[in-house]
Amino acid sequence: DAKTTQPTSMDCAEGRAANLPCNHSTISGNEYVYWYRQIHSQGPQYIIHGLKNNETNEMASLIITEDRKSSTLILPHATLRDTAVYYCIVVPTGNQFYFGTGTSLTVIP
Amino acid sequence: NAGVTQTPKFRILKIGQSMTLQCTQDMNHNYMYWYRQDPGMGLKLIYYSVGAGITDKGEVPNGYNVSRSTTEDFPLRLELAAPSQTSVYFCASSYSSGNTEAFFGQGTRLTVV
Repeated sequence: DAKTTQPTSMDCAEGRAANLPCNHSTISGNEYVYWYRQIHSQGPQYIIHGLKNNETNEMASLIITEDRKSSTLILPHATLRDTAVYYCIVVPTGNQFYFGTGTSLTVIP
Repeated sequence: NAGVTQTPKFRILKIGQSMTLQCTQDMNHNYMYWYRQDPGMGLKLIYYSVGAGITDKGEVPNGYNVSRSTTEDFPLRLELAAPSQTSVYFCASSYSSGNTEAFFGQGTRLTVV
């Protein structure tokens, strides 16, 4: 299964865009990139996922490089409520979600 | 919509006791999962199931058992509780493989003393 590498922590000013990077250089052609977040030990919350193309929903945008070896999650206007641990996960066709340690994002007033 | 429901929310066990963590989902999902999360760490997959009657081990299955007799329920059994099993346990479900999100319950905080 493909592994992911994320920075341990990041800060972002409130109202600015938060750009969270993820490396997944061993990703296979049929594996999806998923992003989840976990706010204060609650159950993880789905944000967005994609295969090849960039994706956007009401929460965020996902930019996947053409070679699919890395991706960036963009929160366009970060708020204090976006302070959380963000997990980038590569999911094989067996649909087993293996979580790493994620990026702890702190949104600063 | 209830989604994924876990019970109990909190539990204290003595070493050597046994208990079952309950998980039920009302979304008719085929896939269900159990994770544990130790303080300051990411989630580790314990067991998962791709449908009723089918279960498989994840990353950290030792000390746990599961069963999947119905689509809705996926209980996790601890037979001989040990302090190393002190953790927060999350159950999740998803419809199928690949292009679908997983929904998580709110967790069970277990302390073994």
